[in-house]
Amino acid sequence: SQTIHQWPATLVQPVGSPLSLECTVEGTSNPNLYWYRQAAGRGLQLLFYSVGIGQISSEVPQNLSASRPQDRQFILSSKKLLLSDSGFYLCAWTGDRLRNSPLHFGNGTRLTVT
Amino acid sequence: GDSVTQMEGPVTLSEEAFLTINCTYTATGYPSLFWYVQYPGEGLQLLLKATKADDKGSNKGFEATYRKETTSFHLEKGSVQVSDSAVYFCALSESGSARQLTFGSGTQLTVLP
Repeated sequence: SQTIHQWPATLVQPVGSPLSLECTVEGTSNPNLYWYRQAAGRGLQLLFYSVGIGQISSEVPQNLSASRPQDRQFILSSKKLLLSDSGFYLCAWTGDRLRNSPLHFGNGTRLTVT
Repeated sequence: GDSVTQMEGPVTLSEEAFLTINCTYTATGYPSLFWYVQYPGEGLQLLLKATKADDKGSNKGFEATYRKETTSFHLEKGSVQVSDSAVYFCALSESGSARQLTFGSGTQLTVLP
């Protein structure tokens, strides 16, 4: 069966420090991968998605970036964190070969920028 | 553009009470509609979906009917349990593609014993 791993679960970082969040998927090949952010009291905002190695689409301009160095690995990064980057970050995947393929989410990373 | 509006939370109910969480949407075409649930400390899970008008999605005792005439997809459950405490998200996709999902802001549900 397919599983998705996301780490760390929680992270406290000072303003201006770098960020690296990692997500890996097991049990499937060539998944579509997504990074979402969930700000307090708000819905999910799609940040990046990827349909293949090295292919990244950005949905929202910001100081975050994403990379996909391997088929089942998706990394969210920042060179210098802002206070506004605090939130709950969720990685997700779909097969997406079929219409209405559901999103499968990781357990998320709670990021607090101080 | 597409949008999803959910009832404001938080919602607090006693065990075995009837649940309704309202969801209405705005879309230019004929979207697919979803309910996702997020249990404490976890990511989101697909709860149910409906892909065309009058379809009823159901899972774990929850139901939602795709009402094109009222552009609604209200979530209902006849008897909630403490384990149903979670945040519920309504979402739509015009194309059926996950990359084009639009989420509502979520409704926190707390069920008291």
